[in-house]
Amino acid sequence: EDKVVQSPLSLVVHEGDTVTLNCSYEVTNFRSLLWYKQEKKAPTFLFMLTSSGIEKKSGRLSSILDKKELFSILNITATQTGDSAVYLCAVEYNYGQNFVFGPGTRLSVLP
Amino acid sequence: KAGVTQTPRYLIKTRGQQVTLSCSPISGHRSVSWYQQTPGQGLQFLFEYFSETQRNKGNFPGRFSGRQFSNSRSEMNVSTLELGDSALYLCASSLGGRSDEQYFGPGTRLTVT
Repeated sequence: EDKVVQSPLSLVVHEGDTVTLNCSYEVTNFRSLLWYKQEKKAPTFLFMLTSSGIEKKSGRLSSILDKKELFSILNITATQTGDSAVYLCAVEYNYGQNFVFGPGTRLSVLP
Repeated sequence: KAGVTQTPRYLIKTRGQQVTLSCSPISGHRSVSWYQQTPGQGLQFLFEYFSETQRNKGNFPGRFSGRQFSNSRSEMNVSTLELGDSALYLCASSLGGRSDEQYFGPGTRLTVT
């Protein structure tokens, strides 16, 4: 059965810490993996990854995909309280027909 | 430019009724996708419309349907409402599709009693 798994499901850190969030998947005919940040209601887009080994960066956030081992990581360095949110990954597969979200990682950054 | 808007923001319906939700995408965006979010199932893809055609559909029963108009505005309809349909319904628009940078609306909170 196709699945998208995220770990950890919940994480509490202090400001300034570095965190690594994991998204692993088992799907047929992988096409792309996307990361979103959801604070209150609407998710906001972070990254879209299709190629293995190419790091995407935006400020303190970065992400990389490993298509051989079937996972992606999202790194956040020098965390701030504003990084507190649920981080979702989504995988598009089966020639683009399917689009499944993982359960999310709830990150809490304490001052 | 204006973001994605959804109406209504909150809705209370009774089992068996039907409901129509509306989504106005960002100007110039031709792709509109709909999602259902519940505490138990998380965020789930419903369907995607592109230039008035349904391009992809998630694993939901036929009671869930949608359409897109020539101005890219989209509606989704749920008939014969069930208690389990209570959820936050989000729509998102993008230039090319789900793999593009999607912009989400604030959502419609539907409560079925």
